Amino acid sequence: TQLLEQSPQFLSIQEGENLTVYCNSSSVFSSLQWYRQEPGEGPVLLVTVVTGGEVKKLKRLTFQFGDARKDSSLHITAAQPGDTGLYLCAGRDSNYQLIWGAGTKLIIKP
Amino acid sequence: NAGVTQTPKFQVLKTGQSMTLQCAQDMNHNSMYWYRQDPGMGLRLIYYSASEGTTDKGEVPNGYNVSRLNKREFSLRLESAAPSQTSVYFCASSWDPSPLHFGNGTRLTVT
Repeated sequence: TQLLEQSPQFLSIQEGENLTVYCNSSSVFSSLQWYRQEPGEGPVLLVTVVTGGEVKKLKRLTFQFGDARKDSSLHITAAQPGDTGLYLCAGRDSNYQLIWGAGTKLIIKP
Repeated sequence: NAGVTQTPKFQVLKTGQSMTLQCAQDMNHNSMYWYRQDPGMGLRLIYYSASEGTTDKGEVPNGYNVSRLNKREFSLRLESAAPSQTSVYFCASSWDPSPLHFGNGTRLTVT
C-alpha cells in the first residue's frame, strides 16, 4: 500500500510567521499536486510539480518537488489569515492513480 | 461556469434507508470520481469512471454503487445506509492525468 504522509497534521501560527508543510513517501511519483480546501468547499488545485527538484512559486507560497520525486514541501512566507485552510498533497503513481495525504489543517491568527 | 455540481448539499438518513447522490460536470471531462472525506483520513476513493460506460472500484467501495449515466453525470447510491457511512462526499472530474476539479460536497449523516 502506498502512503503519502503529511506533516504536521495541524498548525496554528500568528499572522506574519513563516511555515513549511511536508509531504513524504517511499514511493516515486510522476507528479505531485497541492490543493487547498476551505470549510464547506471542495479542494482547489494550487500547483502541480512534475520534475525532480522543481520549484514553483505562487505569490507567498513556494512548492518544491524532491530530487527523487518521493517528497514535496510547501513553504508559506509571511502567512496571512487568508491562508487558513486544509492543505492536501496528492501524488500520481506509476499506474496513474492519485495517492492522497491526510492533510495539514492550517490556522493563521490575526 | 458551474464546474462540478453536487446535490444535495446536506442529508440525514436513518440506518437502512437508501439514497442517491447526484453529480454533474460541464467541463467535458472524461474521468469522474467519488471520494469520501473523514477527519484525519484525507480523501478516500470510493469509485471512479475513466470514461462513459465504465466504472471501477476504488479503495472503499463496499456499501456503494455508482452509475455513469452519460459523460456529464456520475451518481453514487447507498442502498442501505449505515452509521459508518456518515461522511462528507465529494465528486470530482478531470481529463486524466490532469488535476481534479471538485464539487462542494454532500454532508451525509446516518443515524
